[in-house]
Amino acid sequence: DGGITQSPKYLFRKEGQNVTLSCEQNLNHDAMYWYRQDPGQGLRLIYYSQIVNDFQKGDIAEGYSVSREKKESFPLTVTSAQKNPTAFYLCASSSSSYNSPLHFGNGTRLTVT
Amino acid sequence: GDSVTQMEGPVTLSEEAFLTINCTYTATGYPSLFWYVQYPGEGLQLLLKATKADDKGSNKGFEATYRKETTSFHLEKGSVQVSDSAVYFCALSGGSPQGGSEKLVFGKGTKLTVNP
Repeated sequence: DGGITQSPKYLFRKEGQNVTLSCEQNLNHDAMYWYRQDPGQGLRLIYYSQIVNDFQKGDIAEGYSVSREKKESFPLTVTSAQKNPTAFYLCASSSSSYNSPLHFGNGTRLTVT
Repeated sequence: GDSVTQMEGPVTLSEEAFLTINCTYTATGYPSLFWYVQYPGEGLQLLLKATKADDKGSNKGFEATYRKETTSFHLEKGSVQVSDSAVYFCALSGGSPQGGSEKLVFGKGTKLTVNP
């Protein structure tokens, strides 16, 4: 079955450490996205990529980095510069069709102490 | 800029009750409108969508009609079940002809709890 896989589901890190969240899709979608979800704040866009080897900052990119070396993969690194990294992170993908809906992974809950 | 406002929750209903979750939007151009649902511990799933004025999206007993005159896309279901307990997000995708998924704007979500 086609879909988006995020791993791990739960991740724990010490403050000051960088951590990379995995996102893989087999939907043959061109576009991929990273969102952050906090209670009561909905979803906020961190980064997105519309094509391999290219990506753009979203609304809250500071303290995060991404790469898009393969169409299937869009890993997100949460760096030590991110002031409040504890959150639920969601990866999504979509086709390049106009206003196509997003397909989401099941998320990674990151806790930094 | 584009924005989505949906009713704040939480909403608690008894099984078989009627559900309405209000959603209004502000947008330039001609956006598409979506409702997504998030079950506990999971990502979001597309529930329904409408791409132009007066379109009605429907799925799993849920419906929403794209009302341009009132800039609304309210979610309704005639008889909710315990399994409908989830968080519901209204969203819009901008009217940019260059493609718009990166401009998907979400409401803050409404948590629904249905009791037996």
